[in-house]
Amino acid sequence: DSGVTQTPKHLITATGQRVTLRCSPRSGDLSVYWYQQSLDQGLQFLIQYYNGEERAKGNILERFSAQQFPDLHSELNLSSLELGDSALYFCASSVRSVADHEQYFGPGTRLTVT
Amino acid sequence: AQSVTQLGSHVSVSEGALVLLRCNYSSSVPPYLFWYVQYPNQGLQLLLKYTTGATLVKGINGFEAEFKKSETSFHLTKPSAHMSDAAEYFCAVSGANTDKLIFGTGTRLQVFP
Repeated sequence: DSGVTQTPKHLITATGQRVTLRCSPRSGDLSVYWYQQSLDQGLQFLIQYYNGEERAKGNILERFSAQQFPDLHSELNLSSLELGDSALYFCASSVRSVADHEQYFGPGTRLTVT
Repeated sequence: AQSVTQLGSHVSVSEGALVLLRCNYSSSVPPYLFWYVQYPNQGLQLLLKYTTGATLVKGINGFEAEFKKSETSFHLTKPSAHMSDAAEYFCAVSGANTDKLIFGTGTRLQVFP
């Protein structure tokens, strides 16, 4: 158990809908990262927050957004869902926003868009 | 830009045999390199990391990796495979300018009895 929690574990929804994925980082970790894992794109970095502020953006679609709250949990919002958004979404956390610090991954949320 | 290439999407070994998973990186800055393992229906678990210092890095579960700058490689090895090592392994890189992880495409390790 990494100490990072993600809810829900599974999510099935229809095209055009909007969903929210939730992540609670390890106790004491200030940095939260979101990654998408799909068969065709592999593991891709989406976005990072550090202590409530957006720190870095990766290949995140405009239909997707995220935020980190004062209690440091984070939410990833996916809207106008398409079939291609079906994937595993991982949250990771680290104590600081430093490149040599390991990231601890949650168990992921499996999103299926039908 | 940073990237990693994992050679071989599938590797099969017999139990007790040497495990060798290959990773080559590209980076314009000194890289930080990581190996993660993903068991079925689970998240990623860190096996080991290289940041600075000793180029031979030991990780969990008997795995180790050697950073070779001249070959831009960070191959993962284990002297003797166990059935429980069957999983997908990801090499990843980050650098001085960014702490986001850039992952390779993964190598699925199968271990046969």
